[in-house]
Amino acid sequence: ETGVTQSPTHLIKTRGQQVTLRCSSQSGHNTVSWYQQALGQGPQFIFQYYREEENGRGNFPPRFSGLQFPNYSSELNVNALELDDSALYLCASSLGGTSGRITGELFFGEGSRLTVL
Amino acid sequence: AQSVTQLDSHVSVSEGTPVLLRCNYSSSYSPSLFWYVQHPNKGLQLLLKYTSAATLVKGINGFEAEFKKSETSFHLTKPSAHMSDAAEYFCVVPGLDTGRRALTFGSGTRLQVQP
Repeated sequence: ETGVTQSPTHLIKTRGQQVTLRCSSQSGHNTVSWYQQALGQGPQFIFQYYREEENGRGNFPPRFSGLQFPNYSSELNVNALELDDSALYLCASSLGGTSGRITGELFFGEGSRLTVL
Repeated sequence: AQSVTQLDSHVSVSEGTPVLLRCNYSSSYSPSLFWYVQHPNKGLQLLLKYTSAATLVKGINGFEAEFKKSETSFHLTKPSAHMSDAAEYFCVVPGLDTGRRALTFGSGTRLQVQP
């Protein structure tokens, strides 16, 4: 148990729809990151939120967006879903160092598996 | 950009035999390095991390890894495999291209443990 919980665990959407995934961080962690893990691949960094602001972004288009709330929980929103968005979406929380830099362990949730038909 | 290469996509061992999962890194300086494990339908768990304090790093569940700068390697080992070790293993490095705000994962090695 990492203390990071994600919801929903599984969901199915169709192309063009929008989806919101949620993450509750481990208590005391001020940084949350989202990763996309396609089948058979390693996770790919989407973005990081540090103190409620986007603080770094990977190679993902603007239709991937997020929020971090004052209690450090977070949402990942994906608009205009495409078939290639089918993946496991992982949330990770950590106690960010200066400007959110990784200084210690990231604690991952078990993920939300999204299927786009 | 800083990256890692996992040399084997699949490794199969018998229970009770040694495990070796290979990882090479590319960096112009000694990086931080991690190994994470992902069991089926589970999230990722940190096995161990190297942060330059010691070249031989001990982790959880009997795993260890040795940082070898001359070989740019950080291979993961365990003396005796257990059935519960069957999982996907990722060699990971903080990404310089994201100001060390993100982890860059290798492609993963699936470890199969035969009874």
